[in-house]
Amino acid sequence: AQSVTQLDSQVPVFEEAPVELRCNYSSSVSVYLFWYVQYPNQGLQLLLKYLSGSTLVKGINGFEAEFNKSQTSFHLRKPSVHISDTAEYFCAVNQYSSASKIIFGSGTRLSIRP
Amino acid sequence: DAGVTQSPTHLIKTRGQQVTLRCSPKSGHDTVSWYQQALGQGPQFIFQYYEEEERQRGNFPDRFSGHQFPNYSSELNVNALLLGDSALYLCASSIGTGGFTLHFGNGTRLTVT
Repeated sequence: AQSVTQLDSQVPVFEEAPVELRCNYSSSVSVYLFWYVQYPNQGLQLLLKYLSGSTLVKGINGFEAEFNKSQTSFHLRKPSVHISDTAEYFCAVNQYSSASKIIFGSGTRLSIRP
Repeated sequence: DAGVTQSPTHLIKTRGQQVTLRCSPKSGHDTVSWYQQALGQGPQFIFQYYEEEERQRGNFPDRFSGHQFPNYSSELNVNALLLGDSALYLCASSIGTGGFTLHFGNGTRLTVT
């Protein structure tokens, strides 16, 4: 069975500082990996996805993530955060054979301090 | 271009009642997936509908059922509501069952008292 672990439930950072949100997954087969963002009272929006190819994936709003197969990680990074990045971030995994059945982590709340 | 729309936005029900939630997928999408998001948790997969049939199902009891219509819209039905069913219910649409880019609606907040 596949699973996703987000190691930090909350990450406070100062505005314009860099941030890394950690994600580890477990799966016995090859997977696709995703990061979604959820702003208050809204649904989820796709930030970026890794399907194949380059292990460094660039997404929207200046975010990027690196797939590390040996460490089974897919950490999300941004070099300089803004107040508007305050949101809940979810890492997710999908097995090649499971179509759109995507498994989500429990989320990391990113709070930006001015 | 309308995105995924869900109705209603909020709902309050009593234990034992039944509820129906509705979802219209993004234009051009033919697959609808439903997720339950409890407070402080990540979304949990309930089931997926494609070509008016349930294609995949998560670990949810039979009290949770669904339907997809010829216009690709979908309903989620929950019978015999329990307090633990209180959650945000999210609908996501995609193209085909292998579509990995899910477009989510803003959800329906269900409160069971």
